[in-house]
Amino acid sequence: KAGVTQTPRYLIKTRGQQVTLSCSPISGHRSVSWYQQTPGQGLQFLFEYFSETQRNKGNFPGRFSGRQFSNSRSEMNVSTLELGDSALYLCASSWNPGQGANSPLHFGNGTRLTVT
Amino acid sequence: DAKTTQPTSMDCAEGRAANLPCNHSTISGNEYVYWYRQIHSQGPQYIIHGLKNNETNEMASLIITEDRKSSTLILPHATLRDTAVYYCIACRNSGYSTLTFGKGTMLLVSP
Repeated sequence: KAGVTQTPRYLIKTRGQQVTLSCSPISGHRSVSWYQQTPGQGLQFLFEYFSETQRNKGNFPGRFSGRQFSNSRSEMNVSTLELGDSALYLCASSWNPGQGANSPLHFGNGTRLTVT
Repeated sequence: DAKTTQPTSMDCAEGRAANLPCNHSTISGNEYVYWYRQIHSQGPQYIIHGLKNNETNEMASLIITEDRKSSTLILPHATLRDTAVYYCIACRNSGYSTLTFGKGTMLLVSP
């Protein structure tokens, strides 16, 4: 079974631009989560999507948004990029049969975004 | 999710067992203990999880104390490829709730 795939692997953008990152979950997984990882803040939760609906959201400004498609693939978008948005963006998927059940997260290897 | 506390770093000789401790004294009855690790430049990798009983899989063993206030992840025969940051997380369902990753333990396996 293929793992979680994130594209692109590396991205360099200029301050003020916008960027879209893509994530293909493991086949059969319906939940997709996004995390930001920086040396100073560590791994921070951005948002989670399930059946095309955002179910949970972390404490990030509205410039960060996402969506999930009917095939469970997900994209996240960052508008008006700032230097502080430079980070590793990680996508994770899980089977997630329902509340109370257990389904570990499976992470991709991330997109390394550099804002100059 | 309950707060977890882990040592900042640990060393282990190759071939020896690596025992990584985690304190989760405020864990609630329906929260599981999950372990993930992150090798440099890769995404976190799920290792193992448990509720009350000790668990073992092909990667590691998880020992949870009877009062559930702490646990230990055991890598029975550490290799150089086990060098990574190990995260201990207490949550109801890691695939459902928002995960809070702490700083983790940097395990360095040396020849």
